[in-house]
Amino acid sequence: QSALTQPASVSGSPGQSITISCTGTSADVGNYNYISWFQLHPGKAPKLMIYEVSNRPSGISNRFSGSKSGNTASLTISGLQAADEADYYCSSYTGSGTNTVVFGGGTKLTVL
Amino acid sequence: EAQLVESGGGSVQPGGSLRLSCAASGFTFSGTWMHWVRQAPGKGLVWVARINNNDGTTNYADSVQGRFTISRDKARNTLYLQMNSLTAEDTAVYYCTRDLIAGSGSMDVWGQGTTVTVSS
Repeated sequence: QSALTQPASVSGSPGQSITISCTGTSADVGNYNYISWFQLHPGKAPKLMIYEVSNRPSGISNRFSGSKSGNTASLTISGLQAADEADYYCSSYTGSGTNTVVFGGGTKLTVL
Repeated sequence: EAQLVESGGGSVQPGGSLRLSCAASGFTFSGTWMHWVRQAPGKGLVWVARINNNDGTTNYADSVQGRFTISRDKARNTLYLQMNSLTAEDTAVYYCTRDLIAGSGSMDVWGQGTTVTVSS
């Protein structure tokens, strides 16, 4: 099972909106709505930002939103803040068996 | 508050073994799926394995199938990862995680990670 495809980097200015894409196949992203997005700050544990394509865990700002179309999922961050600068990873369920969950390669978000 | 604390990481020679532990608290351990996820230095997150704490059902990544074993002790609220035949490619920070939705990968609680270094 190959990793999901994410852009290596994206950037935006404070207050702007950015979108990070996550492209998989009909065997993973296109077949299941178990798409998650994680935020990683250096030296800290990953944090769940979005699950089931578009659901936000308690405490996550509504500036973070998720969507999916076909084999591509997307994370949109609106009203960019300096604190949003981090690495972001998507993941998808692939079904039972081996390689049950697959991650994207990660995207470095830079807030200019 | 749900919390996960990993331990057991360290340095080991190629071909060696190591057992990681993850102590869980603040939630009903037996009713959840849990995962191990790793991150090699300078690399991305990689899923390793998952277990249904209720019935012990397990799944593995191809890269560790047959070498790693995920298990749990419900009485101790502890998750384990037994790692055998280790290679340099297994060098990483290993995280244990709790799944919010039945093993789907919706990992809402993460430990702080434990570092495994495989080197001669």
